Amino acid sequence: AQSVTQLDSHVSVSEGTPVLLRCNYSSSYSPSLFWYVQHPNKGLQLLLKYTSAATLVKGINGFEAEFKKSETSFHLTKPSAHMSDAAEYFCVVSLLFGNEKLTFGTGTRLTIIP
Amino acid sequence: KAGVTQTPRYLIKTRGQQVTLSCSPISGHRSVSWYQQTPGQGLQFLFEYFSETQRNKGNFPGRFSGRQFSNSRSEMNVSTLELGDSALYLCASTLRATGTSRGEQFFGPGTRLTVL
Repeated sequence: AQSVTQLDSHVSVSEGTPVLLRCNYSSSYSPSLFWYVQHPNKGLQLLLKYTSAATLVKGINGFEAEFKKSETSFHLTKPSAHMSDAAEYFCVVSLLFGNEKLTFGTGTRLTIIP
Repeated sequence: KAGVTQTPRYLIKTRGQQVTLSCSPISGHRSVSWYQQTPGQGLQFLFEYFSETQRNKGNFPGRFSGRQFSNSRSEMNVSTLELGDSALYLCASTLRATGTSRGEQFFGPGTRLTVL
């Protein structure tokens, strides 16, 4: 079985300060891990993905995430928050070689304080 | 390339009716997945189609069904609508079947279904 746990349902940061969104995963096999972002009334957009290559993954809009197998974590970070980063963020897991669907975390709402 | 398109974008139905939602994947993509998004349950997988065959199914009642056509376009149908079916229904496409593509799924903007 596979699952992801997003440790914070809501994160608020000031514009220009670092962002940290936390995600722990559980998977019986080597997983693929993703971070998606959803802006209000929009579909989901992929930020970045990990598929067993480099453990530090760089994504779009300055986001990056580090896969830590020993901690079963895949936290999302950004050095400096921008107002346009305000959105809902989802951590997602999928089996690499299985026939499994995407399993979504419950989401973290990121608020940027001007 | 055009992205994933979903029609209609908004829909209002009453309890007991049925509804059909449509999804056109990115050109060349053969796998289409459907998800339901609600405030209470979050994002839940409905089913996945690849080459006109359902490959994966989530834990939804039989009132939820889908199909895929030879051009990879997909439809999902919900019969005997209930109030709890009110949700954002998202469609996603990917080049190969989920789990083998090692890649992301590309999502459409969704269809907002309201059941009164």
